[in-house]
Amino acid sequence: GENVEQHPSTLSVQEGDSAVIKCTYSDSASNYFPWYKQELGKRPQLIIDIRSNVGEKKDQRIAVTLNKTAKHFSLHITETQPEDSAVYFCAASMRTGANNLFFGTGTRLTVIP
Amino acid sequence: NAGVTQTPKFRVLKTGQSMTLLCAQDMNHEYMYWYRQDPGMGLRLIHYSVGEGTTAKGEVPDGYNVSRLKKQNFLLGLESAAPSQTSVYFCASSYYTQRHTGELFFGEGSRLTVL
Repeated sequence: GENVEQHPSTLSVQEGDSAVIKCTYSDSASNYFPWYKQELGKRPQLIIDIRSNVGEKKDQRIAVTLNKTAKHFSLHITETQPEDSAVYFCAASMRTGANNLFFGTGTRLTVIP
Repeated sequence: NAGVTQTPKFRVLKTGQSMTLLCAQDMNHEYMYWYRQDPGMGLRLIHYSVGEGTTAKGEVPDGYNVSRLKKQNFLLGLESAAPSQTSVYFCASSYYTQRHTGELFFGEGSRLTVL
């Protein structure tokens, strides 16, 4: 099956700085790459996703890039704020419909005020 | 509109006991999933269902059974609990589309401890 690796496992940044989280995947058939944010004690929630026919996608301070040749994708958060502190999970899926997502191991982001 | 709700939220079991986690969604989603979350291991898919009356195995199905008798409910059963099943369990649902994969909507999680 798919293997998703995520780095770093922890990341601390000063408020206002940028944060970058990177993921690699193993199966070239994967075509959907979402990112989920999980605040402490809460449920994971989708923050952004990208599909294999797109190289980059932005939503305000959040952007995701995809390099299919290298099989890696990244989450970029600019102008970080304390409320960005959470665990972020990347995921990959090679199926449409039934969403059999394979998740990375998570990155704990801490934004220092 | 409650979204996805899970019961119970906390449970402590002794090794060998059985229990059932209930997941209910009110969004009329076709697909439902059970994940477990362990420190340093992310979210791993246990079982999933693409519709009422159907279930399928995920990455880590051993020791669990599921049933989807009604579209809105997805039950996860542990017949003989083991300490290795101590985890936080998340149910999720998503809509059906032929064109692309839908967003997962998660429940609040159920923390299970097996002694």
